[in-house]
Amino acid sequence: QVQLVQSGAEVKKPGASVKVSCKASGYTFTSYGISWVRQAPGQGLEWMGWISAYNGNTNYAQKLQGRVTMTTDTSTSTAYMELRSLRSDDTAVYYCARDTQQQLVPDDDAFDIWGQGTMVTVSS
Amino acid sequence: DVVMTQSPLSLPVTLGQPASISCRSSQSLVYSDGNTYLNWFQQRPGQSPRRLIYKVSNRDSGVPDRFSGSGSGTDFTLKISRVEAEDVGVYYCMQGTHWLWTFGQGTKVEIK
Repeated sequence: QVQLVQSGAEVKKPGASVKVSCKASGYTFTSYGISWVRQAPGQGLEWMGWISAYNGNTNYAQKLQGRVTMTTDTSTSTAYMELRSLRSDDTAVYYCARDTQQQLVPDDDAFDIWGQGTMVTVSS
Repeated sequence: DVVMTQSPLSLPVTLGQPASISCRSSQSLVYSDGNTYLNWFQQRPGQSPRRLIYKVSNRDSGVPDRFSGSGSGTDFTLKISRVEAEDVGVYYCMQGTHWLWTFGQGTKVEIK
């Protein structure tokens, strides 16, 4: 079936980096993109950025520019999100979700499939 | 960025009674192709978000028909015709028309 499976929980110290993976199955990976969304404890959903699995184009939320990098490995149908210079307010559950293939072009299938979430805890 | 404003933020409901959540956008969500990319998501406690409705009123596969979406332009509504215990959770609207995608703050639905 169509699914996204994420890597396991991480505990990091302030200033460190974390890299979360999101493996797709059940659909043609390069026909879509992947968005990353995070949710701090007890808070709402925050869109972090998007990557096209077709051509690697990215677009990041302005507040994360310079600290986040999203990549894909089409040979394994896996997307990655790396966040650097971690702070305590980066503590959150990080989700990947299937999204549009092309920047600025909406897709009916966008956000129809989500990963199970990865808890990232930043603590000294 | 497009701001999505939901109301109410908390919604206590009686089992079997209807519930309604409003979502307003700071600008029209009509895309150049004529479609309106407004989604609704349900997030049950401890679970990932699940898409219920796409393009204002289209139910996703497996979504009970007690859920319905309506609206146009900047004003949208999610309705639950008869609330069941499994509907408890937080509901979010999200616009997918204007880059960057943005979510509403969420509406917590609980049973009275």
